[in-house]
Parts: sequence; structure tokens; C-alpha cells
Amino acid sequence: AIQMTQSPSSLSASVGDRVAITCRASQDIRNDLGWYQQKPGKAPKLLIYAASNLHSGVPSRFSGSGSGTDFTLTIGSLQPEDFATYYCLQDYTYPYTFGQGTKVEIK
Amino acid sequence: EVQLVESGGGLVQPGGSLRLSCAASGFTLSDYYIDWVRQAPGKGLEWIGRSRNKANGFTTDYAASVKGRFTISRDDSENTLYLQMNSLRTEDTAVYYCVRDILYHSDGNWYCRFDYWGLGTLVTVSS
Repeated sequence: AIQMTQSPSSLSASVGDRVAITCRASQDIRNDLGWYQQKPGKAPKLLIYAASNLHSGVPSRFSGSGSGTDFTLTIGSLQPEDFATYYCLQDYTYPYTFGQGTKVEIK
Repeated sequence: EVQLVESGGGLVQPGGSLRLSCAASGFTLSDYYIDWVRQAPGKGLEWIGRSRNKANGFTTDYAASVKGRFTISRDDSENTLYLQMNSLRTEDTAVYYCVRDILYHSDGNWYCRFDYWGLGTLVTVSS
């Protein structure tokens, strides 16, 4: 199975900060990658698909980039509602695999 | 309004069985791929299986951790998807989510988009 490694595992940031989360695949997955946001006690929500496409209704401060094995989710200006855990998901091949998650906390 | 509602979770002993249901509303279940994703308490997300749509024969795929023990099926008349879980282990303890995949097609490739998630149902495997 393809392993997805996110970094950092957690980070502390302030409102207004620019935040970047990276996800590395154990093999080339083209651009078959999505990003999801999860808040405590809630189901995840789709942010980005196909590495760089913003899902409908998601604020434009979220962006995704990368291809091959290295991907980045960037939050342009962190807002209070963005404090959550973020997961990448490779959908290049079965079994689909998630990264271990990155928790974004308030500094 | 699109909704997915899971039910059927609960406490079961190791080696036991449980069947989860995922009731869909606001769309025709047979037109969509539906996946199951689980999350152990305090842990990350784990994809465990997929049921393709009617056009793709309702075929299925499973993660190695559940293959041979879990089975996904559908009842189109009820617009409901099922996850039959047998030979349950303590490590199967998790919240189970059913998820709609609205595939995206671009440049000859298909991409996954889990656009709607249920609220989840908790399965606890313990003696």
C-alpha cells in the first residue's frame, strides 16, 4: 500500500498567519490527491481534489499544489474557523490511504 | 438536500458480527460510488472499502485489513448501502462513515471527491 506521510504532525499558528502542510507519498501518485479538514466530533470535509482543485464552497485562502510524490496544502491567511486537523488522501490506487493528519492549533 | 445517515453501530464481542446501514436521501444511491471510511478513537482516518455505481456493476474493493471479513452491498429499493462486518476484532473499534464519491474527470483521469459524509456510527468491539 502507498504510504502517505504528512508534516508537521501538529503546528501552532496565529490568526492571519500563512500555513503550509506537506504530504509525501511513498511512490509517484501523479496528482491523485485530496485534502480534507476535520473538526472535533465532526465528519471530514473536502477542501481540495486532484491536488490543486478547490472544492465548491471552500474559501479561496485554501490552495493545493504538487504532483508526483510531494504535495502542499496552503492556508493563505489563517482564520479562527480553520483550527482543525487536516488529512491528505491518495486516490491513485487501492487501497486509498490517508496521511496521519496535521493538527492546526491556536498559538 | 443530500444526506447520508449511518446506523447499526454498537457494542459487539470479538468474533461477532454487525451490519451497518447507510441511508441515502436527496440523490439516487445507485448512480454513485459510495465508500466506507473509519476512525478509531483519537486516531486518523482509514479507508476501508468502496462500492461502485450501477453503471460499473456495483463492484467492490476493500482494504487488506478488512478484506474477507467485511462486505458492502446495496438495496436500491431502499436507497440504502450496507456494511456487513464479520469476525470482528478489537482493532475494528471505530466510528464508521459512509461517504459519497462524486468522481471528477479531467485529462483522461478520474479523481476521487468525497463530497458528502454521514455523521458516523460508533462500533465498539470488546468483551
